Amino acid sequence: GEDVEQSLFLSVREGDSSVINCTYTDSSSTYLYWYKQEPGAGLQLLTYIFSNMDMKQDQRLTVLLNKKDKHLSLRIADTQTGDSAIYFCAERAGTGGSYIPTFGRGTSLIVHP
Amino acid sequence: KAGVTQTPRYLIKTRGQQVTLSCSPISGHRSVSWYQQTPGQGLQFLFEYFSETQRNKGNFPGRFSGRQFSNSRSEMNVSTLELGDSALYLCASSLGLGHQPDSPLHFGNGTRLTVT
Repeated sequence: GEDVEQSLFLSVREGDSSVINCTYTDSSSTYLYWYKQEPGAGLQLLTYIFSNMDMKQDQRLTVLLNKKDKHLSLRIADTQTGDSAIYFCAERAGTGGSYIPTFGRGTSLIVHP
Repeated sequence: KAGVTQTPRYLIKTRGQQVTLSCSPISGHRSVSWYQQTPGQGLQFLFEYFSETQRNKGNFPGRFSGRQFSNSRSEMNVSTLELGDSALYLCASSLGLGHQPDSPLHFGNGTRLTVT
């Protein structure tokens, strides 16, 4: 079955780069997503990558996809204290109009001043 | 444009009771999905409704049910509550079905359910 795994915590200093990693198991994944959840709020879509791409850049965010190893990463450049949140990796897998979106358990990013 | 609205924000129930949670999607969005978020299991997909029909379903017991109305508003019901049902229940709406990049999920702030 589908499974998405992430490390639970990441601590960085303000101004450094953060790299959040994710592995998934379903090779039929077509889209992979990164969401951000701030305290007391729902999830907010940050970015996504299509499975036939290996990199996508969006301002301070860079997504890298290694489809062979089923490994996805999110790099946040010049990390700010406002980036402190939980980051979720998610995949869209399945065929024939039927799918189950699968989320990782989330990585808590803590940014120290 | 107003975001996804979930009511109530907090709920405390006792074991055996039932509960109904409500979700109003963003205007124009026809798909509503429900998720359960717990520290132990993370974010688990419950079901997705589109045009008043359940289109996809996660691996939850029949105690968890939902429906969608003609105005796309959705309700989720949990009957015979168990302690393990304590969680943050998130609703997400999207224009279309299927978690497509051109129809991303927009989440509400959730309903925090505590079962005692």
